[in-house]
Amino acid sequence: SQKIEQNSEALNIQEGKTATLTCNYTNYSPAYLQWYRQDPGRGPVFLLLIRENEKEKRKERLKVTFDTTLKQSLFHITASQPADSATYLCAHPSGGGFKTIFGAGTRLFVKA
Amino acid sequence: NAGVMQNPRHLVRRRGQEARLRCSPVKGHSHVYWYRQLPEEGLKFMVYLQKENIIDESGMPKERFSAEFPKEGPSILRIQQVVRGDSAAYFCASSPDGLDRTDTQYFGPGTRLTVL
Repeated sequence: SQKIEQNSEALNIQEGKTATLTCNYTNYSPAYLQWYRQDPGRGPVFLLLIRENEKEKRKERLKVTFDTTLKQSLFHITASQPADSATYLCAHPSGGGFKTIFGAGTRLFVKA
Repeated sequence: NAGVMQNPRHLVRRRGQEARLRCSPVKGHSHVYWYRQLPEEGLKFMVYLQKENIIDESGMPKERFSAEFPKEGPSILRIQQVVRGDSAAYFCASSPDGLDRTDTQYFGPGTRLTVL
């Protein structure tokens, strides 16, 4: 079955540093990957989408890469701020086109 | 410009009772998705509906769970005879088109169901 793996351990970094989160997927080659942010007690918020023919995508301080050979996406937050502290979810569409498969997310803590 | 609205935000039920969760999609969106999230786990797809139609319910348990999206009014996720294992956060999302033609879902704040 299609599966997404994200580092279950929380990531702690110092303010101003670059945070890098990893998403690995198996048993499927998705046409695109998405990254969402989820704050405690709230629903996920869409951040970025990267397609299989794109190596890299940027939006302000966010950067996403997509390596179809490694079956991996990396999500970077540069010049991180305490307000970036949240859980970040990786997702991709299922083969059928109607569902989205989500990873369990990685919790990021940015210390001032 | 209201986003996806869900109510109630918190729902407490005793075992055997019924839970009704409501979702009003973004205005103009005709596609609704329900997900369940357990602590430390990812969102799990349950069901995908369009107005008056269930398109894909492959993620929904066969018994006790049902969903609808009537022509008028919100989408409803109904759980009959709740058990403790139903305790979770239930999220609704909407999109203007089906996910085979669009990339973005807009999520509501979720309903946290606690079964005592």
